[in-house]
Parts: sequence; C-alpha cells; structure tokens
Amino acid sequence: SQQGEEDPQALSIQEGENATMNCSYKTSINNLQWYRQNSGRGLVHLILIRSNEREKHSGRLRVTLDTSKKSSSLLITASRAADTASYFCATDTGGGNKLTFGTGTQLKVEL
Amino acid sequence: DADVTQTPRNRITKTGKRIMLECSQTKGHDRMYWYRQDPGLGLRLIYYSFDVKDINKGEISDGYSVSRQAQAKFSLSLESAIPNQTALYFCATRDLNTGELFFGEGSRLTVL
Repeated sequence: SQQGEEDPQALSIQEGENATMNCSYKTSINNLQWYRQNSGRGLVHLILIRSNEREKHSGRLRVTLDTSKKSSSLLITASRAADTASYFCATDTGGGNKLTFGTGTQLKVEL
Repeated sequence: DADVTQTPRNRITKTGKRIMLECSQTKGHDRMYWYRQDPGLGLRLIYYSFDVKDINKGEISDGYSVSRQAQAKFSLSLESAIPNQTALYFCATRDLNTGELFFGEGSRLTVL
C-alpha cells in the first residue's frame, strides 16, 4: 500500500501564480523528500526535510512538515511553464533504508 | 554520460518471453533499487540491494528476479513476462550522505 498520498491529483495554474501540493502519510518517518518527474522521464530530487524540521527552503521551493498531522506541503512560488511536471513525495521510515513514494500531483503551468 | 543508465529504454515483447532490464551507475553508490511506475499508482519498489551480497525483496517482487553483478550493475529480470507487467521501470541509486535517490531515465516495457 502507498505510504504517501498527494493532493490534489492534478493542478492547473497560470504562470506567475503559486502552486501548493500536499502529501499525507501513515507511519512515522525519518525524513520526507520531494521529487519532480517530467513526462516519462526519470525522477529528480528536489528537497529533503527531516522529521525534526518544520520548514525548509530551496530557491522557489518551500516545504513544510507537520509530524503530528503526518503531512507535508510543497509550495512553488512564482511558477513558470517549465515547472510543468509531476511531483511526488517520498517517505523514509528508516527500516531497510528505502523510500516509499506517493501517487503524485500533476502540475500544469500555463502561459 | 548519465550517472544512472538503463537499457533498453523501450522494449516490446510477447507473453511468456524472458526479459532483462539492465542498470549501470557511475555514482559509486552501494545501494541500488528497482521501481515500477504505473499510471495513478506512483512508484512501487520491486527489489533493492545494499551491496553485491545483499539483495532484498520490495513490495511487489513476485514475477521478478534481480542480479547484482557488481557495485555498478543491477539487473532486473522477468522470467516469463505477462501483460500486467507492462509498465515504466526505474533503476535508482542512493547517496547515504544526503539520503536522496538518483534515477535512470526509465525502461518502458510493453508485454503483448
């Protein structure tokens, strides 16, 4: 079963707007990561947030983590058409040192 | 050259055929993974390897086998392919220092 579930499944916005994607998970984690996938391509790591962190920034990306609610959000500010992709959260529960991926959010940024 | 290379990138085969997907990496990472991606289901872990002598089943290993020929090479085999194994397959390595995965470009397999 999936550990992470992203919401919404699909999101369409205009260039320049902010995009927010949410991830909920079921069990305790060591860290949570966000990945990006351009259509049919390999996933690319965006950002990692540890269980003892609440917020992290990287360029136009802002990630929050609420371990009490078992949820995380990814905010992309001032979106660009090039941000069009699928975004996945992945949880690291520590045991076995493997990542479990969610089902992803498809983001479309229109000009 | 890509850090994680998968071959073939695309393959069409028939039910019952044996298929091998190969993965090689130049990252120098010990940990390697095979994932399967289906629309609406995200990525699911098939097998993973912590080193040449340590191979572990993931959540959907039935119908698959793997071989870790060297630190740099990790192959996935389908002994007798079936149509519901049609999917996009990804190999990945893991950096233990940062925790992040590095993915290949994927192998798209179609079983008729």
